[in-house]
Amino acid sequence: QKEVEQNSGPLSVPEGAIASLNCTYSDRGSQSFFWYRQYSGKSPELIMFIYSNGDKEDGRFTAQLNKASQYVSLLIRDSQPSDSATYLCAAPSGGYNKLIFGAGTRLAVHP
Amino acid sequence: ETGVTQTPRHLVMGMTNKKSLKCEQHLGHNAMYWYKQSAKKPLELMFVYNFKEQTENNSVPSRFSPECPNSSHLFLHLHTLQPEDSALYLCASSQDPGSPLHFGNGTRLTVT
Repeated sequence: QKEVEQNSGPLSVPEGAIASLNCTYSDRGSQSFFWYRQYSGKSPELIMFIYSNGDKEDGRFTAQLNKASQYVSLLIRDSQPSDSATYLCAAPSGGYNKLIFGAGTRLAVHP
Repeated sequence: ETGVTQTPRHLVMGMTNKKSLKCEQHLGHNAMYWYKQSAKKPLELMFVYNFKEQTENNSVPSRFSPECPNSSHLFLHLHTLQPEDSALYLCASSQDPGSPLHFGNGTRLTVT
């Protein structure tokens, strides 16, 4: 079983729609979860992190965490073409030292 | 200076060469990391340093040798690499292990 699993996509949404990106993780001891955005040819940049069950909102982005289901998601409201990128989910595994990344979901927002 | 700086940006080396990748962070962070990103594969953690002490070696072959002289600098020494080692090598730092990572721009390595 992969430690952090994401659907590779591509996820295609029209401009202005809500994009929903999902991630599951295997280590029940994980306490912190991160979403990174990576444009083609660039390095990953942090979008959000979440530690507690429930929702965390930052502008157009909402992270949702459900530790019982080992599930974390990222919602992007009012999607823009500039949001087109690969979104990486990350969680610690085997200790807080070891941040493991999923393979990423490619999001395409079309005008 | 940007937060995390990596040099060189691109590197082409033969299998018998020895080269080093350099990373420097100007964020005052205590932890530094090397990750490898290959096409179609997830980011792979290679090494973790906390207060310049290695705390994680993720079963990396010995042809990759990290060095962390202080909390601001991290090197990855390369020798007798294989073509399958061609990838984007990303350095990152964080305030401490478990905190959000800040990535450098990466070194695109090609082994011929």
